[in-house]
Amino acid sequence: AQSVAQPEDQVNVAEGNPLTVKCTYSVSGNPYLFWYVQYPNRGLQFLLKYITGDNLVKGSYGFEAEFNKSQTSFHLKKPSALVSDSALYFCAVRDYAGAGSYQLTFGKGTKLSVIP
Amino acid sequence: EPEVTQTPSHQVTQMGQEVILRCVPISNHLYFYWYRQILGQKVEFLVSFYNNEISEKSEIFDDQFSVERPDGSNFTLKIRSTKLEDSAMYFCASKQETSSTDTQYFGPGTRLTVL
Repeated sequence: AQSVAQPEDQVNVAEGNPLTVKCTYSVSGNPYLFWYVQYPNRGLQFLLKYITGDNLVKGSYGFEAEFNKSQTSFHLKKPSALVSDSALYFCAVRDYAGAGSYQLTFGKGTKLSVIP
Repeated sequence: EPEVTQTPSHQVTQMGQEVILRCVPISNHLYFYWYRQILGQKVEFLVSFYNNEISEKSEIFDDQFSVERPDGSNFTLKIRSTKLEDSAMYFCASKQETSSTDTQYFGPGTRLTVL
């Protein structure tokens, strides 16, 4: 069964510093990996995804993520954190099983706090 | 930018009562989903819906749950007889095409509280 682990419940970073939110995954077959962000009282907003190709994926709001197959990781990064980046971040995976419907398996989420 | 919308934002109900959670997916999307998140736990897949039928469901989605797309715009989740453990945030999502790489877009969620 596919699974996602986000080892940190909370990450604190000073404004302007680089940030990393960690994610590791376990799937059979090729992974499709996603990052979503949840702001207070809002839904899950799509940030970026890795399907195939370049291991460094760029997404919304200056975020990027690096796919590392050997370490089965897909860490979310940003070179310079903003206070407005403070939110709950979810990593998700789906295992390729052909075209059509599929489900996402989510990690438990990491709360990012950017300190002014 | 088109968004998935959900109503109500918060629903309080008594145990044993029926609730219907409503979602309006993005208009040209073809696949629809419900997920839930019990407080402090992971977001969990419940069901996916395509071409007016369920295409996939999890073991959570038992006979107490049903989904419907009654009018071509709304997508509803019904819980027939709510239990305390149904208290959670319920998210609706939609996806544009049949490609397996397409992204699911989520609504803001409905917080269901069962007393």
